Amino acid sequence: EAQVTQNPRYLITVTGKKLTVTCSQNMNHEYMSWYRQDPGLGLRQIYYSMNVEVTDKGDVPEGYKVSRKEKRNFPLILESPSPNQTSLYFCASSLRASGVHSYEQYFGPGTRLTVT
Amino acid sequence: DAKTTQPPSMDCAEGRAANLPCNHSTISGNEYVYWYRQIHSQGPQYIIHGLKNNETNEMASLIITEDRKSSTLILPHATLRDTAVYYCIALWIKAAGNKLTFGGGTRVLVKP
Repeated sequence: EAQVTQNPRYLITVTGKKLTVTCSQNMNHEYMSWYRQDPGLGLRQIYYSMNVEVTDKGDVPEGYKVSRKEKRNFPLILESPSPNQTSLYFCASSLRASGVHSYEQYFGPGTRLTVT
Repeated sequence: DAKTTQPPSMDCAEGRAANLPCNHSTISGNEYVYWYRQIHSQGPQYIIHGLKNNETNEMASLIITEDRKSSTLILPHATLRDTAVYYCIALWIKAAGNKLTFGGGTRVLVKP
């Protein structure tokens, strides 16, 4: 089944404890992206990747790191999480990194992160 | 990207067609209309997109007016599983980034 998977789905952690949220897609998609969704603020892009080893900042990259060493994986790293990073996180991918179809994005199920 | 306006909520009877309007009166000639939906706290789901012509796929139909200032998403036979927030967005296809930004959307409740 074609899908985007994220792990973990739920995570409660403490301030400063490094964590990684994994994202993997099995559709050979070029483009991958991380978003966070907060009440009243909508969906905001954190980082995106146009292809392997090509990543760039979105609108809210502070406090996050990403890497794209393989086409299928795009982990999100929080080196020193803080309470303002408590949010619902979504990974997304699309077949093409540019053009009309690049906006047909497949989303993962979400990771609900709480930082205390 | 052009601003879009959608009604905040609507109800629909199960089995009937759901017609979801979207106003994008300032849309430019190069901007596409995309529709997504999000079932409570799940990942957003792409539905359909179009530029000028009407489009249909296995999920829905998209009707765009001739002047492109508005569009309607049609779910032909709504089911309870179609209860979700539906987002209409107008996008200028950029070279990079490809970020999606959702506005308020329409909260659709399909009732038995």
